[in-house]
Amino acid sequence: NAGVTQTPKFQVLKTGQSMTLQCAQDMNHNSMYWYRQDPGMGLRLIYYSASEGTTDKGEVPNGYNVSRLNKREFSLRLESAAPSQTSVYFCASSRDAQYYGYTFGSGTRLTVV
Amino acid sequence: QKEVEQNSGPLSVPEGAIASLNCTYSDRGSQSFFWYRQYSGKSPELIMFIYSNGDKEDGRFTAQLNKASQYVSLLIRDSQPSDSATYLCAVNMDFGNEKLTFGTGTRLTIIP
Repeated sequence: NAGVTQTPKFQVLKTGQSMTLQCAQDMNHNSMYWYRQDPGMGLRLIYYSASEGTTDKGEVPNGYNVSRLNKREFSLRLESAAPSQTSVYFCASSRDAQYYGYTFGSGTRLTVV
Repeated sequence: QKEVEQNSGPLSVPEGAIASLNCTYSDRGSQSFFWYRQYSGKSPELIMFIYSNGDKEDGRFTAQLNKASQYVSLLIRDSQPSDSATYLCAVNMDFGNEKLTFGTGTRLTIIP
């Protein structure tokens, strides 16, 4: 019963480098999400995918891209990392968010220097 | 902009007392409401959800919803040191929408 698995757990990037955060869920959920969490700002939605093959922008999409590879996997890519993208990133999935809420992954702590 | 507001705290409560956490939301059409607990350095964990006006109890936790006043609260009875965490309020603001909007969280400390 892995739930939502995120990799890596920690990452340090130099400004301008690129990387992809991976997320996979084994609960057969339709919807998947990427959030960032910053002190005093709470959880802010970057992108989400309501079903396989669809993606939509959230509150703070600039500087990010996503891919819903299949029903299980939803990746987040930073093409050219900036210090402002230093944050904790959470992936989440949901069977039906309005009734069941989200299940979160364990998070990725990203530092851009 | 649709918002969810929480007092950031910190809220300090003696062990064994009742902790009361509050949340207000801006969208009168909001349908469902969730409370998450987040320990330091960990991911949010769902502890309660409520859809209808009134109270919902689960063990030491009670969620209270008042749609007319647009607030939802979480009561923790017989508070334990293990309840020390940040509590996030989340709201589904559009029926049929698969997104939740989160408050910034209230940091709760239980004093032994």
